[in-house]
Amino acid sequence: AQTVTQSQPEMSVQEAETVTLSCTYDTSESDYYLFWYKQPPSRQMILVIRQEAYKQQNATENRFSVNFQKAAKSFSLKISDSQLGDAAMYFCAYRSATNNNDMRFGAGTRLTVKP
Amino acid sequence: DGGITQSPKYLFRKEGQNVTLSCEQNLNHDAMYWYRQDPGQGLRLIYYSQIVNDFQKGDIAEGYSVSREKKESFPLTVTSAQKNPTAFYLCASRAGTLLGEKLFFGSGTQLSVL
Repeated sequence: AQTVTQSQPEMSVQEAETVTLSCTYDTSESDYYLFWYKQPPSRQMILVIRQEAYKQQNATENRFSVNFQKAAKSFSLKISDSQLGDAAMYFCAYRSATNNNDMRFGAGTRLTVKP
Repeated sequence: DGGITQSPKYLFRKEGQNVTLSCEQNLNHDAMYWYRQDPGQGLRLIYYSQIVNDFQKGDIAEGYSVSREKKESFPLTVTSAQKNPTAFYLCASRAGTLLGEKLFFGSGTQLSVL
């Protein structure tokens, strides 16, 4: 079974600075999807960014971008110009392209933003 | 506004009691999911349903049951057989038509044991 590993339980960043959250995954599949979800104190999960494995270009959504390294099975999230509202738990997730119901989540990274 | 509604926000269970968590969506989504979230762990899949009157076990289905009598509703029952039910429960849905679709999540139910 696929596994997702987030090696940083906690991270902190100064407001307006840049931070990178790490994620690695284990799979034997060649086609899949990767996601970063944010869980703020309200505890509702919100999609931050999504990457298709067959696309070489890294996904970008405003201040959020990913560094997708398929060979290394790495999928890091970069947050630029960090804002206080970015403080949350961030979860990396993997979904198989052959089983749309099989989504695996990492244990999460808690991000603190210091004013 | 379309979305997923979970209720109640907080729920307490007594020893030997079954409790039911509600999940309703008005997004017209086919697929619905129940996840369990424990501190320091990622989300784990309990059950999912792709269509009405059909559902499948996830990784940790023991001690739980579900039904899908209507497209909009996917309630989860935590039975007395679940010996460690204290957790945060998240319901999610997906349109079910395209690969790589995102999941839409409800705001969750925190279940605690008295």
